[in-house]
Amino acid sequence: SQQGEEDPQALSIQEGENATMNCSYKTSINNLQWYRQNSGRGLVHLILIRSNEREKHSGRLRVTLDTSKKSSSLLITASRAADTASYFCATEEGETSGSRLTFGEGTQLTVNP
Amino acid sequence: DAGITQSPRHKVTETGTPVTLRCHQTENHRYMYWYRQDPGHGLRLIHYSYGVKDTDKGEVSDGYSVSRSKTEDFLLTLESATSSQTSVYFCAISVGLAGVGFFGPGTRLTVL
Repeated sequence: SQQGEEDPQALSIQEGENATMNCSYKTSINNLQWYRQNSGRGLVHLILIRSNEREKHSGRLRVTLDTSKKSSSLLITASRAADTASYFCATEEGETSGSRLTFGEGTQLTVNP
Repeated sequence: DAGITQSPRHKVTETGTPVTLRCHQTENHRYMYWYRQDPGHGLRLIHYSYGVKDTDKGEVSDGYSVSRSKTEDFLLTLESATSSQTSVYFCAISVGLAGVGFFGPGTRLTVL
């Protein structure tokens, strides 16, 4: 079963708008990561938030983590057509770092010019 | 792609034939992973390795085996391919204390 579940499954917005994607997970985690995948390509790491952090920023990305609700959100501000891609959350768990990443099913984001 | 290559990039095979996919990394990272990606399922972990000759099963390991005889190479074998194993296969490494994943370009496998 999937550890992370993204919501919504698909999101279509206009350029310049903000895009928010949510991720829920089930078990304790070491950290939560967000990845991006362009069509036909491998996944690219975007941002990592540790279990003891609540918010993190990187450029136009903002990630929040609520461990009490076992949920995270990814906000992309001022979206661009080039942001069109699938976005996945992944939880890193296990006794040692790097032991395994478990991915959700992803959110397909379409940014219309 | 953080020095990760996969071969072949595309393969079409018939049911019942053995298939081996290769993942090669150039940076001597300890952890390596094989995932499969299917519509509606996201990425699911097949097997992973935490060192030479050290491997463990993931979520969907049935029908797959792996081997790691050198740090840089992680092989995924389908002993007898089935149509349900038609998928895109991604190799990944884990980098740093936090375990950030870096992915290869993927192998598209079609089993007829």
